[in-house]
Amino acid sequence: GEDVEQSLFLSVREGDSSVINCTYTDSSSTYLYWYKQEPGAGLQLLTYIFSNMDMKQDQRLTVLLNKKDKHLSLRIADTQTGDSAIYFCAEMAPGNTPLVFGKGTRLSVIA
Amino acid sequence: GAGVSQSPRYKVTKRGQDVALRCDPISGHVSLYWYRQALGQGPEFLTYFNYEAQQDKSGLPNDRFSAERPEGSISTLTIQRTEQRDSAMYRCASSPGTAGANVLTFGAGSRLTVL
Repeated sequence: GEDVEQSLFLSVREGDSSVINCTYTDSSSTYLYWYKQEPGAGLQLLTYIFSNMDMKQDQRLTVLLNKKDKHLSLRIADTQTGDSAIYFCAEMAPGNTPLVFGKGTRLSVIA
Repeated sequence: GAGVSQSPRYKVTKRGQDVALRCDPISGHVSLYWYRQALGQGPEFLTYFNYEAQQDKSGLPNDRFSAERPEGSISTLTIQRTEQRDSAMYRCASSPGTAGANVLTFGAGSRLTVL
């Protein structure tokens, strides 16, 4: 079955880099995603990576995928107070199937 | 519409009542998904549709939960005889349904409180 695990909390100082980690169990996952949830808001897609890629960079965001270890990470450079939110990792099995989400990592940015 | 719209945003009901939650997806999106999110948890899959066809309802907790999308656009999630454990945020998402990355766009959610 599919399972996605994340650490629950992360605290960083403003200006530092944040690294949020995720592990998943389904080796057939085709795409992996990072969503952001701010208080009182819906889930917003940040980025996604195809399973045959190792890395994807988008401005301050860097996604690293280690398919062998089934490990995904999201690095946020120069973390700002506006980055404080809950970050969800999600995976998709082949066939355009529904996404399976982790429990989320709450990122707190200290000014 | 421009985004995924859900209504009501907040619903408080008494145990035993039926509730209906509505989702209006992005225009033209083929796939529509319902998730449930308890406090401190990630979204948990309930069911999804391609057009009007319900593709997978394996996530519905029991037979008190049902969903429909009769014309392939707006969807309704119905919970009959609500119980306190049904209290949660119910999230709807839609996607184009094309091959490749299945990018889900979520609505703001409907928060259900059962007293």
